[in-house]
Amino acid sequence: DVVMTQTPVSLSVSLGGQTSISCRSSQSLVHSDGNTYLYWYLQKPGQSPQLLIYKVSNRFSGVPDRFSGSGSGTDFTLKISRVEPEDLGVYYCYQGTHYPPTFGGGTKLELK
Amino acid sequence: VQLVESGGGLVQPGKSLKLSCSASGFTFSSYGMHWIRQAPGKGLDWVAYISSSSGTVYADAVKGRFTISRDNAKNTLYLQLNSLKSEDTAIYYCARTGPDYWGQGVMVTVSS
Repeated sequence: DVVMTQTPVSLSVSLGGQTSISCRSSQSLVHSDGNTYLYWYLQKPGQSPQLLIYKVSNRFSGVPDRFSGSGSGTDFTLKISRVEPEDLGVYYCYQGTHYPPTFGGGTKLELK
Repeated sequence: VQLVESGGGLVQPGKSLKLSCSASGFTFSSYGMHWIRQAPGKGLDWVAYISSSSGTVYADAVKGRFTISRDNAKNTLYLQLNSLKSEDTAIYYCARTGPDYWGQGVMVTVSS
């Protein structure tokens, strides 16, 4: 199975600040169809996960442009700028290129 | 898009349970669907996938015990859980592939 390693495990950020989360996979996430099925989710307290970014860098419907995804191959990054209170929670990366799909362990974003 | 899970509850080890996920707001028959679970206080764990043509894939931890199925006429996804173990205790989410949209989740507790 593909292991997804997220760092850091937790993050403290000031409102209005900027931060980033790293996700590394144990093998390349480039699919034979040319796509890279790397996704980012935010799980707010007491809620189900919500999709932020799909296929590395595409913002999902309704996701503000404060969120951006980048990377290739095995190294990926989620950047959050101008952090707002509603951004707090646990962020997960996910790969759907290789079955079984796997999630990163999560990064908890808290207020400083 | 709306996904609503039901059928969870408290069940003894070795017993069975059937979860349902009612879908609306999109053409259910055209999409693959996932079940993903989250043990209390833990991260996300992919369980099973069914394609629009009813091909299925399972995580090793549930293979042979869980069965994913769908009824396109009823816009409903199912997960049959047999031979339940304490380690199956989790919130079970259905999600449209992607996964992009997720349900609110249903709790399954396996305990004597």
